[in-house]
Amino acid sequence: EPEVTQTPSHQVTQMGQEVILRCVPISNHLYFYWYRQILGQKVEFLVSFYNNEISEKSEIFDDQFSVERPDGSNFTLKIRSTKLEDSAMYFCASSDFKPHITNSPLHFGNGTRLTVT
Amino acid sequence: AQSVAQPEDQVNVAEGNPLTVKCTYSVSGNPYLFWYVQYPNRGLQFLLKYITGDNLVKGSYGFEAEFNKSQTSFHLKKPSALVSDSALYFCAVRDAKLTFGTGTRLTIIP
Repeated sequence: EPEVTQTPSHQVTQMGQEVILRCVPISNHLYFYWYRQILGQKVEFLVSFYNNEISEKSEIFDDQFSVERPDGSNFTLKIRSTKLEDSAMYFCASSDFKPHITNSPLHFGNGTRLTVT
Repeated sequence: AQSVAQPEDQVNVAEGNPLTVKCTYSVSGNPYLFWYVQYPNRGLQFLLKYITGDNLVKGSYGFEAEFNKSQTSFHLKKPSALVSDSALYFCAVRDAKLTFGTGTRLTIIP
């Protein structure tokens, strides 16, 4: 069964540094998402992306965050200047969801654990 | 805004007993409801969904969920719990994105 893959599985960075988290969504999917989870708690929506632009973003997704689909397969989340509170598990997800059909589940990767020191 | 609530942070069930993980929803219009499971150090795995139709939805690993419109609930159930069912369970509602509940940690006691 096709799956969403995320690299790296664990990223350690110093406060103020830039990080890029990478994701390869399922190949025929059109909608891409980033979520984060702090310390095994609630899973929070960050951003959704379709047709090479952001569809929706949460209040968490401020100017230090950006997303990109640099080629036909990768989907990246960049954090420009990391803060201690950015330490979390970041999950990428994809879906073949169409705007008028909301019954497609999201398929999640195994996540990247980001530790900011 | 659409939301789901999971009133229990932790549920403990003896192996072999039936289990229920509770979820209530608040939506405008038709609800699109999902259950996901998260095993340690893993991503979220889709279990089942309710869109329309039968109020009892069957999913993966022997789980099912009952949609109750009058109680605005979508409880996850399994007739006989296994130790391997121990995990974090999330209820979710979908419009253009998926919004998760706070999660319930299910522990099955041997």
